[in-house]
Amino acid sequence: QKEVEQDPGPLSVPEGAIVSLNCTYSNSAFQYFMWYRQYSRKGPELLMYTYSSGNKEDGRFTAQVDKSSKYISLFIRDSQPSDSATYLCAMTVMGQGGKLIFGQGTELSVKP
Amino acid sequence: GAVVSQHPSWVICKSGTSVKIECRSLDFQATTMFWYRQFPKQSLMLMATSNEGSKATYEQGVEKDKFLINHASLTLSTLTVTSAHPEDSSFYICSAAEPDEQYFGPGTRLTVT
Repeated sequence: QKEVEQDPGPLSVPEGAIVSLNCTYSNSAFQYFMWYRQYSRKGPELLMYTYSSGNKEDGRFTAQVDKSSKYISLFIRDSQPSDSATYLCAMTVMGQGGKLIFGQGTELSVKP
Repeated sequence: GAVVSQHPSWVICKSGTSVKIECRSLDFQATTMFWYRQFPKQSLMLMATSNEGSKATYEQGVEKDKFLINHASLTLSTLTVTSAHPEDSSFYICSAAEPDEQYFGPGTRLTVT
């Protein structure tokens, strides 16, 4: 069993839709949770960073963490074609500067 | 945000040759640098962790004699793929970390013919 599981998609939605991306994990030692966006043939860029259970909002993006269920989510409201990318969840025990364990990534396509 | 560069961005080499990839943190000193490999439509897999002046720590299954990592300064780490083979063709990404932040480079595409 992988430490972090993420549905690879691909996921295709119309512009304006609400997108829900999810990851589950097995290691209860994970304390820090990140979502990265990666465009084709580029390095990943950090979208959201949380370390406690609950919701964190940043513009159109909301990150949700449920440590009791070992489940994290990223919601994208009013999705735009420019949101088309691969979204990777990542987790770490020691903080964002430590060793990251990534999910497989979900490929998202937002159609105009 | 901080900037991490990689050079080259794309390299093609012949089977059996070695190729070096550089990773630089441009505006901060990185206590730790990480090297990842990513195959098409797959996730980033951590290869090794390096700290300046120390030997790199390799993940299980990564051949340390094949993937040589040198972390000569707080702003530069290099990955050398020795005796490259077509199966080493991949996207190699580095990241540079301060204690509470980690920044990724743009990646290097390696094609071994």
